[in-house]
Amino acid sequence: KAGVTQTPRYLIKTRGQQVTLSCSPISGHRSVSWYQQTPGQGLQFLFEYFSETQRNKGNFPGRFSGRQFSNSRSEMNVSTLELGDSALYLCASSITRGQGAGETQYFGPGTRLLVL
Amino acid sequence: AQTVTQSQPEMSVQEAETVTLSCTYDTSENNYYLFWYKQPPSRQMILVIRQEAYKQQNATENRFSVNFQKAAKSFSLKISDSQLGDTAMYFCAFVFNTDKLIFGTGTRLQVFP
Repeated sequence: KAGVTQTPRYLIKTRGQQVTLSCSPISGHRSVSWYQQTPGQGLQFLFEYFSETQRNKGNFPGRFSGRQFSNSRSEMNVSTLELGDSALYLCASSITRGQGAGETQYFGPGTRLLVL
Repeated sequence: AQTVTQSQPEMSVQEAETVTLSCTYDTSENNYYLFWYKQPPSRQMILVIRQEAYKQQNATENRFSVNFQKAAKSFSLKISDSQLGDTAMYFCAFVFNTDKLIFGTGTRLQVFP
């Protein structure tokens, strides 16, 4: 099976712009979660989608949003970019037969976003 | 609030030796899951091992094993016969009743020849 894929792998934007990142989960996986990784804050949970619905949300401002499509592919959008949004954005997918079942999350290679 | 603590920012080990990475967590939950993930320089996060809190038996995966002490809220990772390819950041993570992984700050492991 193909792993989790993320596009693009690298992105450079300027402050004030917006950006959309894409994630394709492993075939058959219905849950997609997004994480932000920075040297200062470490790995932080952004949100999780399951069956096109946001099921969990982390403590991020409303500039960060996401969605999931019927084929389980997910996108996250960051509007009005700030310098502090520079990070590695990781997407993870899991089968998730039920919330809280502790299913293993499989990660994609990440999108490295640089905001200038 | 649930927290995960990795008190060793960096560790090193010689090839073929054994090393143990520490992880403690804080939770009032009884049913939860613990993970160790590895992130090599490529930045791809790779699952190393998974432990279900309701199982007393320690999980093992080839050269990787855990010492899970539920009462002490400790979840250490032992890597036996260390290989150069084990060089990476190792993250301990915790999840309960949602799919939100809570990560520790990581331990950078360097394996020397």
